[in-house]
Amino acid sequence: DAEITQSPRHKITETGRQVTLACHQTWNHNNMFWYRQDLGHGLRLIHYSYGVQDTNKGEVSDGYSVSRSNTEDLPLTLESAASSQTSVYFCATSRGHTGELFFGEGSRLTVL
Amino acid sequence: ELKVEQNPLFLSMQEGKNYTIYCNYSTTSDRLYWYRQDPGKSLESLFVLLSNGAVKQEGRLMASLDTKARLSTLHITAAVHDLSATYFCAVDITGTYKYIFGTGTRLKVLA
Repeated sequence: DAEITQSPRHKITETGRQVTLACHQTWNHNNMFWYRQDLGHGLRLIHYSYGVQDTNKGEVSDGYSVSRSNTEDLPLTLESAASSQTSVYFCATSRGHTGELFFGEGSRLTVL
Repeated sequence: ELKVEQNPLFLSMQEGKNYTIYCNYSTTSDRLYWYRQDPGKSLESLFVLLSNGAVKQEGRLMASLDTKARLSTLHITAAVHDLSATYFCAVDITGTYKYIFGTGTRLKVLA
């Protein structure tokens, strides 16, 4: 079955370190998204991509970057982790004609 | 700026009762989605509403969309404990495939 895989599922890091969260999908969907989920804020869009070599900033993109070198992967990088980036991160893809989102299992990041 | 508001934010209800969750949004969109999230889990798609007047039903849940009023409702009929979860609506900023989520409604169904 097609799926979305996120790794690591849990990570603890220190302030100032670089962290990369991986997202791999086998849906062959062009659209991919990264969201963060925090209590009281719902899900907020960090970055998104409509296809290979395409990346765009979402509403909370400061301190994050993404790259899209193939259809399957959209890694999310925190260049210098901050405590404010402690959150649960979800990767998602969308089916083009309906726009329905399919989510990965999430990555819980703690920045100490 | 597109804003998506859900109410109530928290809902505690007895089994067997009916209730409605509301999702209001602030700008034009013809595409609205409902998702369910269980504690500590990911989100799963419930309904995809793609036009004004769209109505979808699955079991005890029914969702509808009124694009003129910029309002979607998620109606729960004869609630059961298994429906306890957090429900999110999400709106597509028209033509962009960017999705803005509401803050969620945490539903607790009491036996």
